[in-house]
Amino acid sequence: DTAVSQTPKYLVTQMGNDKSIKCEQNLGHDTMYWYKQDSKKFLKIMFSYNNKELIINETVPNRFSPKSPDKAHLNLHINSLELGDSAVYFCASSQRGHKNEQFFGPGTRLTVL
Amino acid sequence: AQSVTQLGSHVSVSEGALVLLRCNYSSSVPPYLFWYVQYPNQGLQLLLKYTTGATLVKGINGFEAEFKKSETSFHLTKPSAHMSDAAEYFCAVSDHQAGTALIFGKGTTLSVSS
Repeated sequence: DTAVSQTPKYLVTQMGNDKSIKCEQNLGHDTMYWYKQDSKKFLKIMFSYNNKELIINETVPNRFSPKSPDKAHLNLHINSLELGDSAVYFCASSQRGHKNEQFFGPGTRLTVL
Repeated sequence: AQSVTQLGSHVSVSEGALVLLRCNYSSSVPPYLFWYVQYPNQGLQLLLKYTTGATLVKGINGFEAEFKKSETSFHLTKPSAHMSDAAEYFCAVSDHQAGTALIFGKGTTLSVSS
């Protein structure tokens, strides 16, 4: 059983388009995250949600909007895609009281042409 | 603010040799410390973590790490490298507040030759 899943795994799109990446976790965790891994493999937090409430919102363009319909899902919507948005996006989850151990999804490789 | 420095962006070892990947952190309070591994085109898998208690932490696949507060280090070791250990390794730190972000180092690519 996949603990943290993301769809799609690969996403190729044109500049200016709007796209979404979906994330689901079946671990029963109450906190979910989005991280961005750039071309140099550097990982940086973008957002985190706890019980559907935004708790971390790093300095990312407001073209990026996370949406959490329920505790098990955290989707990432990106408007007006730019070349610089090309990266691998990872979803992760954790449970309060479990020493912030985060479980990561397989990643979504976004390529903007 | 917390930060992580991984010394050596690329480490090469022979199969059977000792693996040593270095990680130093900066934090105003004792943090939680993690090592994750990333195989090509895959997500991150937790190798081991230090939260409290014993400073020598054993993880999966024969890896271990030792938390040294005086040196602000959390180096990852494995006595004998295997070809399957070739991957990207990330050291990460977080504070103790639930739901906080992991702050990652820039990663170390481990190559293993036969």
